[in-house]
Amino acid sequence: EIVLTQSPDTLSLSPGESATLSCRASQSVSGTYLAWYQQKPGQAPRLLIYNASKRATGIPDRFSGGGSGTDFTLTVSRLEPEDFAVYYCHQYGTSPPITFGQGTRLEIK
Amino acid sequence: EVQLVESGGDLVQPGGSLRLSCVVSGFTFDDHAMHWVRQVPGKGLEWVSGISWNGDSIGYADSVKGRFTVSRDNAKNSLYLQMNSLRADDTGLYFCARVWGVYILGIMDVWGQGTTVTVSS
Repeated sequence: EIVLTQSPDTLSLSPGESATLSCRASQSVSGTYLAWYQQKPGQAPRLLIYNASKRATGIPDRFSGGGSGTDFTLTVSRLEPEDFAVYYCHQYGTSPPITFGQGTRLEIK
Repeated sequence: EVQLVESGGDLVQPGGSLRLSCVVSGFTFDDHAMHWVRQVPGKGLEWVSGISWNGDSIGYADSVKGRFTVSRDNAKNSLYLQMNSLRADDTGLYFCARVWGVYILGIMDVWGQGTTVTVSS
């Protein structure tokens, strides 16, 4: 089982700043098959990034993903008020169990 | 419009059973694998089970293996989760999610709003 560890647990920033979220895998993620999701209170997760760096349909270019192997990042530039949420990474390159990171809460400072 | 609508969540006693359903619309159901993912309020996402487009490939989390059964009826555009021998730690919001592709290993690109399961005496 691939364990995904996200850091930090909570990130406090102000609108207009940039956020960098990390996701570290316990072993190499096959084919950079890593995704990022955003979840707001009372809502379902929403796909942001897939294949480590590709933006899903309708996702602003303020969101960017990168990394390979065991280390991945999600960067959110020029934070907007609606960007403050919980973010999860998810690997889908290795046979089940399918795993998610524990989440990073991005909160307004 | 693509929609996934879960139902069947309820309050049930430990040891009891529930059957969750997820009815989809707006896309060709048998072009996609599907998953169940759960979330304890205030906690993270936990994968529960996944099923390929035709049901030939199925996977379960260790925590539910032997107690939960996933199935689908492509003619009815429906996904199911039969949950037996329920425990308190099965409590949570259960989401169904569509996979971008026919196999279990893939991006979960569309999610329902979830149905709540509470296991308590």
